[in-house]
Amino acid sequence: AQKVTQAQTEISVVEKEDVTLDCVYETRDTTYYLFWYKQPPSGELVFLIRRNSFDEQNEISGRYSWNFQKSTSSFNFTITASQVVDSAVYFCALSEANQAGTALIFGKGTTLSVSS
Amino acid sequence: SQTIHQWPATLVQPVGSPLSLECTVEGTSNPNLYWYRQAAGRGLQLLFYSVGIGQISSEVPQNLSASRPQDRQFILSSKKLLLSDSGFYLCAWSVRIRDTQYFGPGTRLTVL
Repeated sequence: AQKVTQAQTEISVVEKEDVTLDCVYETRDTTYYLFWYKQPPSGELVFLIRRNSFDEQNEISGRYSWNFQKSTSSFNFTITASQVVDSAVYFCALSEANQAGTALIFGKGTTLSVSS
Repeated sequence: SQTIHQWPATLVQPVGSPLSLECTVEGTSNPNLYWYRQAAGRGLQLLFYSVGIGQISSEVPQNLSASRPQDRQFILSSKKLLLSDSGFYLCAWSVRIRDTQYFGPGTRLTVL
């Protein structure tokens, strides 16, 4: 069965530190999609990235970068030079191409607190 | 560009009262629509999804129901609220099944 594990429940850093949020997934499908969402205190989930299982290239977007490794079933998210505005709950999610239904399988989230 | 709206933003209701939450999407046609619930301190649970007008699929048996009376309108309802219905309700849309889902601002429901 598919599953997403975010082992880090809470992380606290000081501004300008780099921080990595871990995400490990389980799936039996060869075609699947991985996502990261950010949930700031306002509550709305903000889409950050979607990656399909055939694209293992790492991605960088400004201070954000993602490391996808199929060998370890991980899709980790790094924030470089963190800022207070990065404080939020971050969710990793999985969607399989062949699964019945349409659910995104979410991890339980990692709460990131960045202090000044 | 596409926009998703939800209202109300906040709601406090007594146990046993009815519920109606509304979600509308602008800027796209025939979207797939989803209702999620996020209980305090927990992850997101998919409640319902719809691939078209009048087509509703339930993922989890609930005290809740959903309807899609128009292409870009999705409504979450209950005839009698339970304490356990408290939570943060999020509506989302996507172009196709398993595409990226985009979420609305959410409704925070407290049942007392």
